[in-house]
Amino acid sequence: KQEVTQIPAALSVPEGENLVLNCSFTDSAIYNLQWFRQDPGKGLTSLLLIQSSQREQTSGRLNASLDKSSGRSTLYIAASQPGDSATYLCAVRSGGSNYKLTFGKGTLLTVNP
Amino acid sequence: AAGVIQSPRHLIKEKRETATLKCYPIPRHDTVYWYQQGPGQDPQFLISFYEKMQSDKGSIPDRFSAQQFSDYHSELNMSSLELGDSALYFCASSLAAGVGNTIYFGEGSWLTVV
Repeated sequence: KQEVTQIPAALSVPEGENLVLNCSFTDSAIYNLQWFRQDPGKGLTSLLLIQSSQREQTSGRLNASLDKSSGRSTLYIAASQPGDSATYLCAVRSGGSNYKLTFGKGTLLTVNP
Repeated sequence: AAGVIQSPRHLIKEKRETATLKCYPIPRHDTVYWYQQGPGQDPQFLISFYEKMQSDKGSIPDRFSAQQFSDYHSELNMSSLELGDSALYFCASSLAAGVGNTIYFGEGSWLTVV
């Protein structure tokens, strides 16, 4: 059974800092990994999708890496802004199912002005 | 760009009542997923449909049922509601069942059972 863990559970940084969020998964036989952002009481906004054959993906100030063999992914946020404050979730598609995403419990990020 | 549309956004029901949630996927998306997110929890996969057929099933209670219609919209029917069913219910959609396709989520439907 795939299990996804995110560390840290919460992170508070001053504006302008670069930061890294970590995601690990127990079954390395994944199809892909997706990073999401969730604002309180809101939906999930897809940030980046990394295929199992890829090493990283970039979008603006965000860079996600994937090391499938070690079961790890990181989300790097450059020059953080207060608007980046949210919960960040990683989710993997694996386990023989094209349809099911297994989520981590998320990292609550607070960027202080 | 069009997103995944869910309705209603908020719903309050009493125990043992029935609730129906609706989901309209992004145009041309043929795969729909339902997830349940309890307070402070990560989203849990309930069920998915591809081309109007159930494609995978997760931790969906027997009291719940869902289907995808000819226009690709989907409905999640929940009966004999329990207090523990109070949660944020997400619908998501993607283009085809290809593993390379991004899954897009709606804003969710808040269900409160009292």
